[in-house]
Amino acid sequence: GNSVTQMEGPVTLSEEAFLTINCTYTATGYPSLFWYVQYPGEGLQLLLKATKADDKGSNKGFEATYRKETTSFHLEKGSVQVSDSAVYFCALSTQGAQKLVFGQGTRLTINP
Amino acid sequence: DAGVIQSPRHEVTEMGQEVTLRCKPISGHNSLFWYRQTMMRGLELLIYFNNNVPIDDSGMPEDRFSAKMPNASFSTLKIQPSEPRDSAVYFCAIHGLRTRGTGELFFGEGSRLTVL
Repeated sequence: GNSVTQMEGPVTLSEEAFLTINCTYTATGYPSLFWYVQYPGEGLQLLLKATKADDKGSNKGFEATYRKETTSFHLEKGSVQVSDSAVYFCALSTQGAQKLVFGQGTRLTINP
Repeated sequence: DAGVIQSPRHEVTEMGQEVTLRCKPISGHNSLFWYRQTMMRGLELLIYFNNNVPIDDSGMPEDRFSAKMPNASFSTLKIQPSEPRDSAVYFCAIHGLRTRGTGELFFGEGSRLTVL
């Protein structure tokens, strides 16, 4: 079946540090891949996505590249800010499927 | 913008009581999803509807849970009777008309349920 595995949190960094949150997936077919972010007290919102191999999704300084050979979609940001503190979810959707399969989420805290 | 309004935002109730959570899409959509979020189990899909018809309810934990979508503008998730282990944040989400097939969902802010 389809599944997503994220690096376990929580992750705590200082402001301006480099961020990587690992995500690997197992899927039949050719999935689309997503990163969602959940700020405190809010619902999830789409951060970025990639729909085919070697695509790079980017938004708000975050990037992730769809790597089919390693079945990965790691999230990176070169310089994090306190406002990036949130829970980040990696997810996939297979072609024709409507359901999103989410990873367990990674809580990120950025200290000033 | 696509989105949903959920109510109540917070609910505290006693074990055995009936709980009804509500979701109101504020834009056109084809599909509506109910998710549950807990620390232990993360984000779980409970049920989803296409064109108001339940398609997959395999995530509904047991018969105490039921969901309805009487029309495109409203959905409910009911728990009767509630138990302490039902304490969680319940999210409603939709595919927007323009984002169907892309996998992008628009989430509400959630209903935090505490069952004492």
